[in-house]
Amino acid sequence: DAKTTQPPSMDCAEGRAANLPCNHSTISGNEYVYWYRQIHSQGPQYIIHGLKNNETNEMASLIITEDRKSSTLILPHATLRDTAVYYCIVAGRGNTGKLIFGQGTTLQVKP
Amino acid sequence: GAGVSQSPRYKVAKRGQDVALRCDPISGHVSLFWYQQALGQGPEFLTYFQNEAQLDKSGLPSDRFFAERPEGSVSTLKIQRTQQEDSAVYLCASSPDRGRGETQYFGPGTRLLVL
Repeated sequence: DAKTTQPPSMDCAEGRAANLPCNHSTISGNEYVYWYRQIHSQGPQYIIHGLKNNETNEMASLIITEDRKSSTLILPHATLRDTAVYYCIVAGRGNTGKLIFGQGTTLQVKP
Repeated sequence: GAGVSQSPRYKVAKRGQDVALRCDPISGHVSLFWYQQALGQGPEFLTYFQNEAQLDKSGLPSDRFFAERPEGSVSTLKIQRTQQEDSAVYLCASSPDRGRGETQYFGPGTRLLVL
């Protein structure tokens, strides 16, 4: 079973920041938080990952709470092309690396 | 550069037929994963290869499912005696590392419909 809880859907206005929450209260010390997204009819696409520090790349920012029990993915300026299902995944290093997906959050960016 | 490719993109099979789905990973990637995605659901892990070795096949739903990667590059997922419940998108992903949880690069998937 997935170790994360996400809202099933969210809306965001084009050009505004999209903030996608994720709860992972049972995360263990050696587990990372990964975010992938899946645009309709495509395979999932890696966005970002982190352990305990906040992370930023060209796609998004990841904010992880100090107790690591939750995180937020931030898309700073959402566009229509960011409409997708966003998956928050907790996975440990040192195992096979298989990803356990939950239901994800369907983000609808509206003009 | 070339990403992960899968073929065919779409496959229609009659119940009871055997099917073979191909995955071409990114060149040089050590790890290869297969996932199954039912309509409206997130992908579910099927099996994992490190080079040619199948190290985890815990997600294969039945003995009708078989995967191989004989030369450590191209992989084939075979489903024997297909059933309607096998209808799904089959995703392949590859990763450059040895299963330490690095970024996985996914192909577009093969959409299988069993009639």
